Amino acid sequence: ETGVTQTPRHLVMGMTNKKSLKCEQHLGHNAMYWYKQSAKKPLELMFVYSLEERVENNSVPSRFSPECPNSSHLFLHLHTLQPEDSALYLCASSPDRGPYEQYFGPGTRLTVT
Amino acid sequence: GENVEQHPSTLSVQEGDSAVIKCTYSDSASNYFPWYKQELGKRPQLIIDIRSNVGEKKDQRIAVTLNKTAKHFSLHITETQPEDSAVYFCAAPGRYGNKLVFGAGTILRVKS
Repeated sequence: ETGVTQTPRHLVMGMTNKKSLKCEQHLGHNAMYWYKQSAKKPLELMFVYSLEERVENNSVPSRFSPECPNSSHLFLHLHTLQPEDSALYLCASSPDRGPYEQYFGPGTRLTVT
Repeated sequence: GENVEQHPSTLSVQEGDSAVIKCTYSDSASNYFPWYKQELGKRPQLIIDIRSNVGEKKDQRIAVTLNKTAKHFSLHITETQPEDSAVYFCAAPGRYGNKLVFGAGTILRVKS
């Protein structure tokens, strides 16, 4: 599959569960991003990775834990989430960090019950 | 720049009319200004972008204009069609150039 893929596409989890979101890019890009998209704050940047190194963490609560094992894969580990964390989580990649087009994945629709 | 303001938040136009969405940014060093379209249930996709060395760029029915002095840029859609209905986001580089900062989005509805 080409472009940016995300799994799962939908996830329902309880507040005590632990789950992980996966993102994979097949574009040879060096930078990857996690965004949270909700009705109240569209496209809220969470994390930026460049060449597997985290270069930005936008004051995200520790219940969200990112992992970038290589430049093609990005994970978001979730634990003890709150109902207000329900949102669409989008992954994106770009050739390098900075002023370049970002390619988005289809997103994971997360519902926390 | 680090702050990107986008207006209006919603815009309804009649099919065939033009639509204009405007964004302002705060960092005068910003040099890249993309526009993304997000259809319902789909991912955001780039539709046009402009770099600071030009003032206008066109691609068929869409165009982007940039005013560096006033620190604002606008998306223009002419001869709107129902399939133009979507949420449109502008963006500009953040401080230190690590990221893009997105505007809050504009919901465009094209009525047929």
